[in-house]
Amino acid sequence: GDSVTQMEGPVTLSEEAFLTINCTYTATGYPSLFWYVQYPGEGLQLLLKATKADDKGSNKGFEATYRKETTSFHLEKGSVQVSDSAVYFCARHNAGGTSYGKLTFGQGTILTVHP
Amino acid sequence: KAGVTQTPRYLIKTRGQQVTLSCSPISGHRSVSWYQQTPGQGLQFLFEYFSETQRNKGNFPGRFSGRQFSNSRSEMNVSTLELGDSALYLCASSGGEVQETQYFGPGTRLLVL
Repeated sequence: GDSVTQMEGPVTLSEEAFLTINCTYTATGYPSLFWYVQYPGEGLQLLLKATKADDKGSNKGFEATYRKETTSFHLEKGSVQVSDSAVYFCARHNAGGTSYGKLTFGQGTILTVHP
Repeated sequence: KAGVTQTPRYLIKTRGQQVTLSCSPISGHRSVSWYQQTPGQGLQFLFEYFSETQRNKGNFPGRFSGRQFSNSRSEMNVSTLELGDSALYLCASSGGEVQETQYFGPGTRLLVL
């Protein structure tokens, strides 16, 4: 079935370090791919998205490239800040009428950034 | 534009009771999806409504139901609450096209005692 797998956390970094959070998805159909971020006590915020192979999504210094050949959508940031501490979710949304409104999420990766 | 709003934000119920949660989508959005978030199961899709019709449903028991009104506001209901229903319930809205970006509300945290 359709699934998304994220690297296990938690991830702990020092401020200004390079961040990578791995995400892979099952290669069924032509999904759109998303990264969402959740801060403590809040809902999910869209961070970035990509809708087809080789697309690069970017926002607030974060980037992810839709790689069909490796079925991956890894999240990267060159220099993290303390304010980036949150839980990050990778998600896919399939094409097709039976997929209306249904995002499939990875398990989430907790990121903690220390000063 | 105002974002997705959910009420109430926090709720405490006892086993066997029922609960109704409300979601108001972004103005102009006609699709509302509901998700359950728990530490053990993560984020799971409950159902989606578009123009007052349920178009998709996740793998949850019949105790979980929903509806959508003509103004696109949506409610979900959980009857005969169980301890395992304690979770953060999130709703998300979109324009309704397949693969369209969903925007989430802050969630309703339900605690069942």
